Amino acid sequence: SAVISQKPSRDICQRGTSLTIQCQVDSQVTMMFWYRQQPGQSLTLIATANQGSEATYESGFVIDKFPISRPNLTFSTLTVSNMSPEDSSIYLCSVRQGSDTQYFGPGTRLTVL
Amino acid sequence: AQSVTQPDIHITVSEGASLELRCNYSYGATPYLFWYVQSPGQGLQLLLKYFSGDTLVQGIKGFEAEFKRSQSSFNLRKPSVHWSDAAEYFCAVGRTGSSGDKLTFGTGTRLAVRP
Repeated sequence: SAVISQKPSRDICQRGTSLTIQCQVDSQVTMMFWYRQQPGQSLTLIATANQGSEATYESGFVIDKFPISRPNLTFSTLTVSNMSPEDSSIYLCSVRQGSDTQYFGPGTRLTVL
Repeated sequence: AQSVTQPDIHITVSEGASLELRCNYSYGATPYLFWYVQSPGQGLQLLLKYFSGDTLVQGIKGFEAEFKRSQSSFNLRKPSVHWSDAAEYFCAVGRTGSSGDKLTFGTGTRLAVRP
């Protein structure tokens, strides 16, 4: 399976600021996704990162709050904008490889004060 | 809409004992089903998956799962649990769509292993 890395692994941020999370894959993949895992909760899909076009957001998530870039087939970024304590979560990117299987990165643990 | 239910929030078993984690799904067609494990502070690791064919699937670390269409279940089993299996386990159902695959996760089952 693909090797997926995320930066930063964790961060502590102040309310009102923004953080950009990077996801790097060691091979070209067709689909990349961003998930959020709030404390003690399961994973929720934020959006599908589309290469060369705007991301596709799930209900409840908007581009102004979570802008996503995907400049090529191995890299994507998720920005968490104008953060509040409610944004404290683990953010994970995943990639689809082979027949409909998603593999996950190690996650970015974000704490907003 | 697809959904996944993991009825057990916490389970504690003794090391060496057998394990079964329950997963029930709701989906309008033949689902793609997955089990992932998340160790503390880590990302998700794929344990096994079911797409079609043999309803008993083998995964990594000695885990297996059985797809039962009549019960809408995909329970995860291991005959003998090791202390290193302590983690959180997520069942997920997937579907393909015009914008790609979408996974819906259950709420997870946290497994503790008693020495």
